[in-house]
Amino acid sequence: GENVEQHPSTLSVQEGDSAVIKCTYSDSASNYFPWYKQELGKRPQLIIDIRSNVGEKKDQRIAVTLNKTAKHFSLHITETQPEDSAVYFCAATDRTGTASKLTFGTGTRLQVTL
Amino acid sequence: EAGVTQSPTHLIKTRGQQATLRCSPISGHTSVYWYQQALGLGLQFLLWYDEGEERNRGNFPPRFSGRQFPNYSSELNVNALELEDSALYLCASSQRRLQGGRNQPQHFGDGTRLSIL
Repeated sequence: GENVEQHPSTLSVQEGDSAVIKCTYSDSASNYFPWYKQELGKRPQLIIDIRSNVGEKKDQRIAVTLNKTAKHFSLHITETQPEDSAVYFCAATDRTGTASKLTFGTGTRLQVTL
Repeated sequence: EAGVTQSPTHLIKTRGQQATLRCSPISGHTSVYWYQQALGLGLQFLLWYDEGEERNRGNFPPRFSGRQFPNYSSELNVNALELEDSALYLCASSQRRLQGGRNQPQHFGDGTRLSIL
């Protein structure tokens, strides 16, 4: 099955700086890669996703890049703000026929300091 | 539009008891997924239901089971509770992924925090 590794486990940046979180996956058949943000005590929220037919996707201050050859994808947050502080999870599909599930990375705790 | 709703918010049980957790998906979503999030850990896939059938199962023992009802809501049952079952149980829903079609985004509920004493 799919294995997803996520780095770093913790990341501290100053407000206004950029943050980058990286994930690698093992199954070359995976074709869908979402990112979730989980604030303390709250539900994981889908913030952006990318499919394998696209190399990059942007949504305001958030972007995701995908390198299928190297089997890694990254989340980029620019002009970070205190409200970006949260745990971020990457995920990849684990496909078996018509059944697919998400395999999650272990999470990155992002702290944006003033 | 109402999001995914889960009940109860908190559940306290003792070892050996049985727990039932409930989930109502977003209107129009037919797939329901269950995940376990132990303290400080990531999300571990438990079960996936679509159209009333179990479609996929994670690496959990058979005492974790569930079902999906005709209205697409779902129950997760955990029998013979053990201390290590203490965790946040998250339910997610998505539109159905057709065979050969695109994966559909999963949207999560607030979870049920299960504590085993």
